[in-house]
Amino acid sequence: GEEVAQTPKHLVRGEGQKAKLYCAPIKGHSYVFWYQQVLKNEFKFLISFQNENVFDETGMPKERFSAKCLPNSPCSLEIQATKLEDSAVYFCASSPGTGNYGYTFGSGTRLTVV
Amino acid sequence: GNSVTQMEGPVTLSEEAFLTINCTYTATGYPSLFWYVQYPGEGLQLLLKATKADDKGSNKGFEATYRKETTSFHLEKGSVQVSDSAVYFCALTPWRDDKIIFGKGTRLHILP
Repeated sequence: GEEVAQTPKHLVRGEGQKAKLYCAPIKGHSYVFWYQQVLKNEFKFLISFQNENVFDETGMPKERFSAKCLPNSPCSLEIQATKLEDSAVYFCASSPGTGNYGYTFGSGTRLTVV
Repeated sequence: GNSVTQMEGPVTLSEEAFLTINCTYTATGYPSLFWYVQYPGEGLQLLLKATKADDKGSNKGFEATYRKETTSFHLEKGSVQVSDSAVYFCALTPWRDDKIIFGKGTRLHILP
């Protein structure tokens, strides 16, 4: 389809629990990006993939965050042992390439850690 | 480094007023420039883009011109509607880079 599908829309986890978020990019888009939107609207880049390969992971908190994009499966972002500060909206975006395309964003997953 | 600075909101206007939201950037090389819009409870939508100097992006009555000499990409609309109420993000992708760098967003309220 022509939209980036993110699931679930909302996720509530107790501190220390695992959270797993999913993203189905637009068919034919070879790049996938994950962003975290925290308070006051700020976006933080987490990681990008080119097909199933990590393209850029400079924004990922290495200890607890991991992500995958496997063939014929939705991409996933997993947070082990969630902390209160992980509460945010996580957006996935896909694009046919990098640079001047302008990425298509999903509607986000709101993660609340209590 | 690369960065985007946009005017802080909230911006409150009456319907049919003229809108300008200022955006300036710092980047090496030739970045591509974007405006995204986030309606309440929704994700980001690409509103318009410009990929080289003097390009004008336009969509839904909104316009922005890529000004390299002033490193600016101000968003304008001649007559706003209540339905334009949203948060607007100016953004860039640096030359030969993948990630989008966002400004902090400007919340726009349009009063009927």
